[in-house]
Amino acid sequence: GENVGLHLPTLSVQEGDNSIINCAYSNSASDYFIWYKQESGKGPQFIIDIRSNMDKRQGQRVTVLLNKTVKHLSLQIAATQPGDSAVYFCAEYTNAGKSTFGDGTTLTVKP
Amino acid sequence: DAGVIQSPRHEVTEMGQEVTLRCKPISGHDYLFWYRQTMMRGLELLIYFNNNVPIDDSGMPEDRFSAKMPNASFSTLKIQPSEPRDSAVYFCASRVSVNSPLHFGNGTRLTVT
Repeated sequence: GENVGLHLPTLSVQEGDNSIINCAYSNSASDYFIWYKQESGKGPQFIIDIRSNMDKRQGQRVTVLLNKTVKHLSLQIAATQPGDSAVYFCAEYTNAGKSTFGDGTTLTVKP
Repeated sequence: DAGVIQSPRHEVTEMGQEVTLRCKPISGHDYLFWYRQTMMRGLELLIYFNNNVPIDDSGMPEDRFSAKMPNASFSTLKIQPSEPRDSAVYFCASRVSVNSPLHFGNGTRLTVT
């Protein structure tokens, strides 16, 4: 039958390349943002977060950029590895802590 | 720390039966969330608790769904009666404070036939 589910964006990269995953959020009042990684059969795992008073934050091999003007969030992964293959979600915190998730992006890393 | 613990990992039941999903949050976390994940709708927030009190249950689909948190270390999500459209992966998550990351369990995959 026809697949009428979510059409998740997909990103396919070569091992060793850098990856950029984008996310648009909806609420201009959101003040806290998180990126999660979900591997098959597991729950989402925290990667990195950023508060609205910042526009960039770096972790180990990952960087999150926040553009509040256009309500856009991005996750950059340096030197992508096969173990980075997963679905990546952004989440925004609104209404005193209620967290809303985006649809997710599937990242595939080719060896 | 064992993380958020959910049980069972898999549940297969027949339409009309009662289903109870269980969650043990991380000790010291004041917030507990129940999410449902499907291909159709992605990750949907069903309900969340703060200090064992339900704060927002606007995501609960209908009266067949109910959630309780009798103490800080245990929560249940009950579906009665279950229907095939309830088939999904149900996640429990906890966090220590308002603006802190969620820690998810590995979910319960529910199949209603």
